[in-house]
This record gives sequence, structure tokens and C-alpha cells, in this order.
Amino acid sequence: AQSVTQLDSHVSVSEGTPVLLRCNYSSSYSPSLFWYVQHPNKGLQLLLKYTSAATLVKGINGFEAEFKKSETSFHLTKPSAHMSDAAEYFCVVPVSGGYQKVTFGTGTKLQVIP
Amino acid sequence: DGGITQSPKYLFRKEGQNVTLSCEQNLNHDAMYWYRQDPGQGLRLIYYSQIVNDFQKGDIAEGYSVSREKKESFPLTVTSAQKNPTAFYLCASSGNSNQPQHFGDGTRLSIL
Repeated sequence: AQSVTQLDSHVSVSEGTPVLLRCNYSSSYSPSLFWYVQHPNKGLQLLLKYTSAATLVKGINGFEAEFKKSETSFHLTKPSAHMSDAAEYFCVVPVSGGYQKVTFGTGTKLQVIP
Repeated sequence: DGGITQSPKYLFRKEGQNVTLSCEQNLNHDAMYWYRQDPGQGLRLIYYSQIVNDFQKGDIAEGYSVSREKKESFPLTVTSAQKNPTAFYLCASSGNSNQPQHFGDGTRLSIL
């Protein structure tokens, strides 16, 4: 079965420094993968998605993620954190071939220190 | 603008009471979903519907019920059988099987 593990429940960075949020996946085949962001008391917004077209995926707000099959990882990065990046981030994998059922990681809360 | 509207934003339930959470979408999506979010647990699927007049149980359906009489609407009822209903409830929708889910802004349910 497909699953994702977010390795850090909390990450704290200073404004202007790089962000790294880690996600490992488990899948019997090369999956699609998503990152979503959730600001407090809001719904989830899609940041980016990997669909096997390219291993380095660029998303919104300067975020990107690299799919590494050898490491079963899909880590989310940003070169320079902004205060507005403070939120919770979820790594997501479809349960089956389509996207209609998905499994969420437990989330990583990003704190940005001024 | 197209999107998903959840209402109310905050809801309080008395003991023994059923409450209904509204979810409406104008994205013309076929599939709709209800998730429950608790701190530190990610999102868990309650029910989903891939087409009008059809829906399936998710991972934590006990104590909940849904209907899908219209494509645009997928209300969730939290029944008195749900003994721990305090949570943040999120509704989502998606188009064909290759489109990611879009989310509403959620309803926070608390017990009085």
C-alpha cells in the first residue's frame, strides 16, 4: 500500500534561510506525489505535484521538490524562508493509480523566526 | 471565482444532537470528500462520493452520514453516535482521476 512519512513534526528556521521539509514514501510503483500547505484555520492549498514528467518540480511561492527514487524521498525546499511561509505542510500520495483517494502524511509545522 | 464553500465556519454541538455541515462546490467536479483533521494526525477520510447518488465509507465513517443528491453539494451529518466529534472538518473535490483535490476552508466543530 502507498504511504508517506513526514520525518519532522516541527521545523524552525530564521527568515531568509533555507527551508527543508522531509517526506519519504512507500510504494510498489513509481507514484505521483503532492505537497499541500495549510495556514491556520484554513483549508489545504496545492503547492506542487510530481507526476513522473520531471524529477525536479517547481511549485508556487518559490517552493520546489525533488523526486529521488533511489532514496524514496520527495523533500520540499525553498532557498529563503519568508514570514508568510509559516504554516503546516502535508506530503500526500494517491492510494491507487488515480488521485481520487489519497493518503496524507502527519504534517510538518514550519515556524519562521524573524 | 470557482471554489468550495463550507459552512458554518464554527459549530457547536450539544450532547445527543445531530449536526450537519454544509459543503458546496461550483467547480463542476464529480468527486467530493469529507476529512477529519485532529492535531498531529494528518487528515483522515470519512466519506467520499465519485458521482451523484453514490458514496462510499472512508476510514472513519462510524458516527457520520452523508448524502449526494446534487453534484454541487455533499453535506455531512455528525450524529450523536460519534462520541468524539470535536475536530476540524474539511471538504474537498476533484475532477477526473488525474486532478488533485481542492479544499474548502473547513468547519471547526466543538462540544458544548
